Amino acid sequence: KQEVTQIPAALSVPEGENLVLNCSFTDSAIYNLQWFRQDPGKGLTSLLLIQSSQREQTSGRLNASLDKSSGRSTLYIAASQPGDSATYLCAVRCSEYSSASKIIFGSGTRLSIRP
Amino acid sequence: DAGVIQSPRHEVTEMGQEVTLRCKPISGHDYLFWYRQTMMRGLELLIYFNNNVPIDDSGMPEDRFSAKMPNASFSTLKIQPSEPRDSAVYFCASSLEHDNQPQHFGDGTRLSIL
Repeated sequence: KQEVTQIPAALSVPEGENLVLNCSFTDSAIYNLQWFRQDPGKGLTSLLLIQSSQREQTSGRLNASLDKSSGRSTLYIAASQPGDSATYLCAVRCSEYSSASKIIFGSGTRLSIRP
Repeated sequence: DAGVIQSPRHEVTEMGQEVTLRCKPISGHDYLFWYRQTMMRGLELLIYFNNNVPIDDSGMPEDRFSAKMPNASFSTLKIQPSEPRDSAVYFCASSLEHDNQPQHFGDGTRLSIL
């Protein structure tokens, strides 16, 4: 059974710092991995999606990496800003499902950027 | 693009009552997902549809839960009868046909069963 873990559960850093959020999964047979952002009282916003054949994806100040063999993914945020404060979740799509989207979510990292 | 629209945003009702949550996916998206989020269990997939057909409902917790998608622009998640442990935020999401497309989430329905 696939399990997705995110550590730490919460992180507070001063504005301007670069930071890394971690995600680990127990079964390396994944189809893809996705990073989401969730603001309070809102739904999830997809940030980056990495296919199993890819090593990383970049969007602006965000860079996500994937190492299937070790069951790890990281989300790198450069030059953090107070507006980056949110909960970040990673989600793994399990490849044993022949059709779309059996997705397992981590519990998230609550990020706070101090001005 | 209006995004995924869910209603109501908040629902408070007494246990035993029927609850119906509604979702309008993004036009053109062929996949629709219902999730439940709680502090204890995090975000869980309940059921998803492809072209209005339920594909996997293994996440639906009990027979009290049912979901329908009568057409491409509307889906409902119904709980009957509701129980206090059903209290959670329920999200609907949709995505395009191709597998490696991101899911787009609605803002959720916060359900409280008293």
